[in-house]
Amino acid sequence: ETGVTQTPRHLVMGMTNKKSLKCEQHLGHNAMYWYKQSAKKPLELMFVYSLEERVENNSVPSRFSPECPNSSHLFLHLHTLQPEDSALYLCASSQDLSLATYEQYFGPGTRLTVT
Amino acid sequence: GQSLEQPSEVTAVEGAIVQINCTYQTSGFYGLSWYQQHDGGAPTFLSYNALDGLEETGRFSSFLSRSDSYGYLLLQELQMKDSASYFCAVVTDTGRRALTFGSGTRLQVQP
Repeated sequence: ETGVTQTPRHLVMGMTNKKSLKCEQHLGHNAMYWYKQSAKKPLELMFVYSLEERVENNSVPSRFSPECPNSSHLFLHLHTLQPEDSALYLCASSQDLSLATYEQYFGPGTRLTVT
Repeated sequence: GQSLEQPSEVTAVEGAIVQINCTYQTSGFYGLSWYQQHDGGAPTFLSYNALDGLEETGRFSSFLSRSDSYGYLLLQELQMKDSASYFCAVVTDTGRRALTFGSGTRLQVQP
């Protein structure tokens, strides 16, 4: 247990569906991240939030829409996805965006399959 | 841009020592982190080097040479449970601190 939980753990959705991924951290951290992990590729940083404010969007398509209502919760809203979006989506947190960014705590991920 | 290179796969036997290398090219380099990820699990933080030299944490050690843009993770007294993927990640500071991951090295420990 890393103190970061994600739901659901597995999700299968059609290209016309709308779904949301949820992440919750119980560590009192101020920064949260969404990553995409595809087979044999590096973890790709998608979004960064600091104190509920989005500070980075790494050229992610608009069909991915993040939301951070408070410093403990992070959502990723999905709509009209493509099959190539199938991947493991990981949420992470760190104490803040300063030096502490080197130590991030990851959730178990949501395995997403787009059919 | 940034690039990190690490071997895709390494195989070793129980009780042995294995070294996983990582070379990087990046601007605004601040430090090098290492993460472990078991199949189906979350990446977990192992170590961080900001200065040149060796950092030891139990059976695991991590090394950094800033002048050579090179680091490695050393795993001693290998155990079957060490079978996992290991990622190096550079911390950079180009106005904001960021962590960029390599593609990972899959370590298989054999009996």
